[in-house]
Amino acid sequence: RKEVEQDPGPFNVPEGATVAFNCTYSNSASQSFFWYRQDCRKEPKLLMSVYSSGNEDGRFTAQLNRASQYISLLIRDSKLSDSATYLCVVKAFGNEKLTFGTGTRLTIIP
Amino acid sequence: EAGVAQSPRYKIIEKRQSVAFWCNPISGHATLYWYQQILGQGPKLLIQFQNNGVVDDSQLPKDRFSAERLKGVDSTLKIQPAKLEDSAVYLCASSLVGSAGTQYFGPGTRLLVL
Repeated sequence: RKEVEQDPGPFNVPEGATVAFNCTYSNSASQSFFWYRQDCRKEPKLLMSVYSSGNEDGRFTAQLNRASQYISLLIRDSKLSDSATYLCVVKAFGNEKLTFGTGTRLTIIP
Repeated sequence: EAGVAQSPRYKIIEKRQSVAFWCNPISGHATLYWYQQILGQGPKLLIQFQNNGVVDDSQLPKDRFSAERLKGVDSTLKIQPAKLEDSAVYLCASSLVGSAGTQYFGPGTRLLVL
């Protein structure tokens, strides 16, 4: 079983719609969680951290369910510029190593 | 503020040849990472340095890959000899100590092994 699993997509979503991505992780000792965004042929960039209580950043909402080892990302009112691959990222307790999922590819359609 | 610099941006070599990649992290970032990203996959950590010491190289294929960060600033990653399956993007990232979740990536080096 992979350490971090994501649905690779692609998700093709009309502009203005709401879209949600899910991610599961296998290591119960995982401590910190993040979503990174990677545009086509570009480097990954941190989108947001994921906190136990859930957190929002504008149109983006991230949630964590430790009991189910599940992370989600919700994008509301999607824009064409949201087209990218979204990488679920997990950090284990006690080290500085990040484990990346394979990414979910999102295309927003005009 | 300057970002993470990498060179070259692209490299095409034949199998069994050698290749080296260079990375200069953001100034003040003690932690430096090398990742391999194969098409359609997420980045996979190859090696992590803190200053000039290796923190984690458990996923580095040591029979052919080597990396160094001699002065605790810039770093080189070498592959010798290259195999077809080494075709990938090699990403360098850096972070402040204790801030592994906030990594800043360079543009990567795209390697094609023929």
